Amino acid sequence: GNSVTQMEGPVTLSEEAFLTINCTYTATGYPSLFWYVQYPGEGLQLLLKATKADDKGSNKGFEATYRKETTSFHLEKGSVQVSDSAVYFCALSGTNAGKSTFGDGTTLTVKP
Amino acid sequence: DAGVIQSPRHEVTEMGQEVTLRCKPISGHDYLFWYRQTMMRGLELLIYFNNNVPIDDSGMPEDRFSAKMPNASFSTLKIQPSEPRDSAVYFCASRGTQETQYFGPGTRLLVL
Repeated sequence: GNSVTQMEGPVTLSEEAFLTINCTYTATGYPSLFWYVQYPGEGLQLLLKATKADDKGSNKGFEATYRKETTSFHLEKGSVQVSDSAVYFCALSGTNAGKSTFGDGTTLTVKP
Repeated sequence: DAGVIQSPRHEVTEMGQEVTLRCKPISGHDYLFWYRQTMMRGLELLIYFNNNVPIDDSGMPEDRFSAKMPNASFSTLKIQPSEPRDSAVYFCASRGTQETQYFGPGTRLLVL
């Protein structure tokens, strides 16, 4: 079956540091890949996505590239801000009758 | 569009009482998902519907939980009788032809 494995957290960084959160997946077929973000007290919301191999998703300074050869979709940001503190979920969709498979989430805390 | 609407936003009840959570998906979306989120178990998919028909309820923890979708614009998740271990945040999400899921703000349930 499908699965998503995320880098374990929590992750604590200083403002303006470089961020990487690793995500690898197992899936049959050709899934679409997503990063969702959950701010405190809110539901998950889409951060970025990529629908085919070598696509790069980007939003709000975050980027992730769909790497089929390594089955990965690592999230990166060059300079994090305090406002980026949240839980980040990697997910895949498109191979299992309409539902998505989510990773366990990685909590990021950015300190001023 | 108002996004996914959930009610109530907070619910405090006593063990043994019936709890009904409500969800209005985004208009035009044909998939609806119910999730539960706790610190211990993370984000769990309970059940999902396609065109108002339940597709997969394998995540429903036990017979005390039931979900319905009588029409395209309304769904309920019912717990009867409720137990303290049901305390969690319950999210509803919907999606259309795009694979992105749109989450509601959640219902924070506390069973005393």
